[in-house]
Amino acid sequence: DVKVTQSSRYLVKRTGEKVFLECVQDMDHENMFWYRQDPGLGLRLIYFSYDVKMKEKGDIPEGYSVSREKKERFSLILESASTNQTSMYLCASTRAGVSPGEYFGPGTRLTVT
Amino acid sequence: GQQLNQSPQSMFIQEGEDVSMNCTSSSIFNTWLWYKQDPGEGPVLLIALYKAGELTSNGRLTAQFGITRKDSFLNISASIPSDVGIYFCAGQQNYGGSQGNLIFGKGTKLSVKP
Repeated sequence: DVKVTQSSRYLVKRTGEKVFLECVQDMDHENMFWYRQDPGLGLRLIYFSYDVKMKEKGDIPEGYSVSREKKERFSLILESASTNQTSMYLCASTRAGVSPGEYFGPGTRLTVT
Repeated sequence: GQQLNQSPQSMFIQEGEDVSMNCTSSSIFNTWLWYKQDPGEGPVLLIALYKAGELTSNGRLTAQFGITRKDSFLNISASIPSDVGIYFCAGQQNYGGSQGNLIFGKGTKLSVKP
């Protein structure tokens, strides 16, 4: 079974802090994604990566950056957390090529106070 | 970016009832996917559809890929309390043998009264 793990289920940070959200997948997937989920807005793509050291902006990249130094790990970075970044963050991965959808981690619920 | 219109936004039903939800788009997709998200967890893939007109079942769940390739629906028969959660549709376009990113609907929140 594919396993996507996220470093924390719950995080509370202060405004202005630098925040790291880590994601690891164990199925040698090439593609990895970071989404945020907010009530009434569904899932919105922040950043994605199709290969090591490669990154592409999604629909809402402002205020975020990412790092992919190893194939299995994709990190989301909030350089200076703000209250409007309070959200559920979901990491996903999938194999390159035509494959059925993405496998999601359990999510990290981030609260910025 | 592209958007999918998913309806209804929420449903409150009695245990044993059937459920129907759908997604529509102005764009054509090569793949339609349906996910379920349990409270406090990440979405889990339920059904993947690859051909226009395709009808696929997974237990009490049945999903169809619309003929126009711009819509899809999901039916749940004889609902049970563990069906509670948020159901998401997602569309995917393929480019020269590689998949594009998923476009998600906003979700249908299902509540089931025992």
